[in-house]
Amino acid sequence: SQQGEEDPQALSIQEGENATMNCSYKTSINNLQWYRQNSGRGLVHLILIRSNEREKHSGRLRVTLDTSKKSSSLLITASRAADTASYFCATDSGNTPLVFGKGTRLSVIA
Amino acid sequence: GAVVSQHPSRVICKSGTSVKIECRSLDFQATTMFWYRQFPKQSLMLMATSNEGSKATYEQGVEKDKFLINHASLTLSTLTVTSAHPEDSSFYICSAPGQGDSPLHFGNGTRLTVT
Repeated sequence: SQQGEEDPQALSIQEGENATMNCSYKTSINNLQWYRQNSGRGLVHLILIRSNEREKHSGRLRVTLDTSKKSSSLLITASRAADTASYFCATDSGNTPLVFGKGTRLSVIA
Repeated sequence: GAVVSQHPSRVICKSGTSVKIECRSLDFQATTMFWYRQFPKQSLMLMATSNEGSKATYEQGVEKDKFLINHASLTLSTLTVTSAHPEDSSFYICSAPGQGDSPLHFGNGTRLTVT
């Protein structure tokens, strides 16, 4: 069953702007992961945040996790046209396979 | 880094035929692999967990006799779509877990079109 729910479903921004995507989930987790998928391709792991972490950075990516609200956000700063892709959150509850959200389709317009 | 190779990347077949999709872990061993299905603009839905040397574990609603999974070695899992129908047309993606809580490594997916 679907665990994560991203919003917005689609986001269109100008190059240079920041993009924020949110993910909500329902059950307890060990960690939450964000993946990127270019059209017609497999998924690429972006960042993993553990349940005892609140914020994590990787390059232009910033992820937050609020376990009390069961939500996470992914911020991409200074977006580029090459960031155009779908972004998925996935939750790891320890003894079950990753469960993916519905994804946010990001379009960065040059 | 760990690489998962999946092929074919695209396949078109006629209704009633069977199609085999291969998923290989190139530089690591994978006792477990996951097979996902993705419809356009939708999320990944887990179909089954492939286990090396034993039977696959199928998710509820996935027909095990239609989607045959074989995981005969530590580096290869195959998904065979038997007697394919147009409604089986989809994007199929395999993945293998890394060590501990490290992320999944994904193949590039197979676009199946059944005519």
